[in-house]
Amino acid sequence: QKEVEQNSGPLSVPEGAIASLNCTYSDRGSQSFFWYRQYSGKSPELIMFIYSNGDKEDGRFTAQLNKASQYVSLLIRDSQPSDSATYLCAVRDYGQNFVFGPGTRLSVLP
Amino acid sequence: SQTIHQWPATLVQPVGSPLSLECTVEGTSNPNLYWYRQAAGRGLQLLFYSVGIGQISSEVPQNLSASRPQDRQFILSSKKLLLSDSGFYLCAWMRPNEKLFFGSGTQLSVL
Repeated sequence: QKEVEQNSGPLSVPEGAIASLNCTYSDRGSQSFFWYRQYSGKSPELIMFIYSNGDKEDGRFTAQLNKASQYVSLLIRDSQPSDSATYLCAVRDYGQNFVFGPGTRLSVLP
Repeated sequence: SQTIHQWPATLVQPVGSPLSLECTVEGTSNPNLYWYRQAAGRGLQLLFYSVGIGQISSEVPQNLSASRPQDRQFILSSKKLLLSDSGFYLCAWMRPNEKLFFGSGTQLSVL
């Protein structure tokens, strides 16, 4: 069974700090990797995606992928209270299906 | 640009009543369509996905069903709701090999 694991948190960081969110996946055939942000009571919103090993930066967000270790992470620089949300890691396989992790709850303290 | 519409936003239904949730996508053709459920404090569970009209794949055996009567329309149904059907239902779409986008969701409470 394909699995995606995340630390459920809560992860608490002070405002202005770097938040580091981690995710591991079980299926070596996974092709694409995504990070979604979900505010309470709202639907998930895509914030980052990465397809190749290495780093990908977009504004304050950096996604990191290491396929050999089956590990993907999301760094949020200069964390803001508005970043407080649950972050879902998702992995897509050859079959066009997504497997989601349980999510990590992030709390940014003013 | 593409948009996805999902309704209703909230729904309270008694046990044993029927259910129909509808989702439509605009601005694209032949998308992959998905229904997910998220129980309170839990992760996303894939219920159904469809790669074309009339083509439905079920991931979890249950008393729910899905249909795709038109290219950009996806419907989730039940003949008789159970208490365990309560949750946050999300429709999503994707072009093949691209990114998954979610609708605004329906919060279903079965009482």
